[in-house]
This record gives sequence, C-alpha cells and structure tokens, in this order.
Amino acid sequence: EAQVTQNPRYLITVTGKKLTVTCSQNMNHEYMSWYRQDPGLGLRQIYYSMNVEVTDKGDVPEGYKVSRKEKRNFPLILESPSPNQTSLYFCASSLPAGAMGSQYFGPGTRLTVL
Amino acid sequence: AQKVTQAQTEISVVEKEDVTLDCVYETRDTTYYLFWYKQPPSGELVFLIRRNSFDEQNEISGRYSWNFQKSTSSFNFTITASQVVDSAVYFCALSEAGIKAAGNKLTFGGGTRVLVKP
Repeated sequence: EAQVTQNPRYLITVTGKKLTVTCSQNMNHEYMSWYRQDPGLGLRQIYYSMNVEVTDKGDVPEGYKVSRKEKRNFPLILESPSPNQTSLYFCASSLPAGAMGSQYFGPGTRLTVL
Repeated sequence: AQKVTQAQTEISVVEKEDVTLDCVYETRDTTYYLFWYKQPPSGELVFLIRRNSFDEQNEISGRYSWNFQKSTSSFNFTITASQVVDSAVYFCALSEAGIKAAGNKLTFGGGTRVLVKP
C-alpha cells in the first residue's frame, strides 16, 4: 500500500529538549515536504527536498532542520523546541511532475511543547 | 507571491442543505494548479480534486461540484444535499508550476469548518 508514515503521532515535550519526527514514504518519490498546521493559517511549508541531499527552506523554516540521506526518509529535527512550535505537522511526498503529481500526506504528528 | 483566501471560517447547515465554500487565489503564474482537501475530525488530509489553470471546465463528482472561474480568480466548492459525514474542515490550495514550484509546494487557505447538523 502506497503511504507516507510519520512517527510519533503524538508528542509532548519540554522547551529545549531536542526531538526528531520521522517521515518515510514507500512510493519512490523524489519530492518531500514538511508542513505545519495552525488554526486560521492553514498549512505552511517548513522545508522541502527535491532529491537525496537536496533540501531547501520553505515559508517557515526558523527553528527546524531537515536531512535527506535516503530517498524514502525525510526527518524533521527541532534542535531546541519552543512553545511556538506547538502545532500539527504533516509530511508529504510527490513525484516531480510539476504539480500534476498528487501530494501524498502522512497522518500528521501533533506536537506540544511546554 | 501566491495567496489563497477562504473568507468563510465556519459554516453551519442542517442536513440536506447545500453548502458552498468560497476560495479566492492570487498568483502571477499563468500555469498553476488548484486543489481542495478535506480534513475530518480524525485529522488526516483527504485529497478531493486538482484543477489545472488552463482547464476551466466545472466538475461534478457525486454530491461534490467545483466552479473554477479564472476571470474572478475563484475556485468554489459546493456540497449538495449535505450529510453529517461532510462535517470537516475544507482547505483550498494553490501550487505553481515549473522551477518555482518549491518541491510542489502547496499554498493553503485558512480553511473553512463545515458543521452539518442532523
């Protein structure tokens, strides 16, 4: 089954404690992205990757890091989380066929930073 | 810069009523793509439709229909004969084509919460 998986699905942590949210896709997609969802703001792109070792900032990259060492994995790293990073996070993947390629979204990770 | 506006934050209807969700977008590109997603209370994002900027044909899928008008930069979504299961947050989104696509970045509107009462 084609899917994007994220772990953990729920996480409560404290300010400053480094964490990683994993994302994996099994569709051999080149493109992967991270989004955060906040009430009234919709979803905003944090970082994206167009291939292995190729990553770039999206609209709201501050406080986040990513890496793309393998095609299937695209972890999101919060080196020093702060309460304003409390949000619902989605990973997405797609083919590079322009935007004709449908974006496949993961189930989401709900993060709370105390 | 691209922008998507969903002016309605919440709509409440009684079952079997029709409901129309408005979406207005801004982009300088001549080629772009428009999307609607549904987010039920469980939280996942469910893809509903994708539309290309060069195809202004309206589309109907069951109780769902979409009205794309380039002249007014709008891509409205209508649910006919609404059901309780339609209760969700609905997002309109825009993606540009080509090298500026930023990994097929989707620019989302703020979402419209639809509550269908029995």
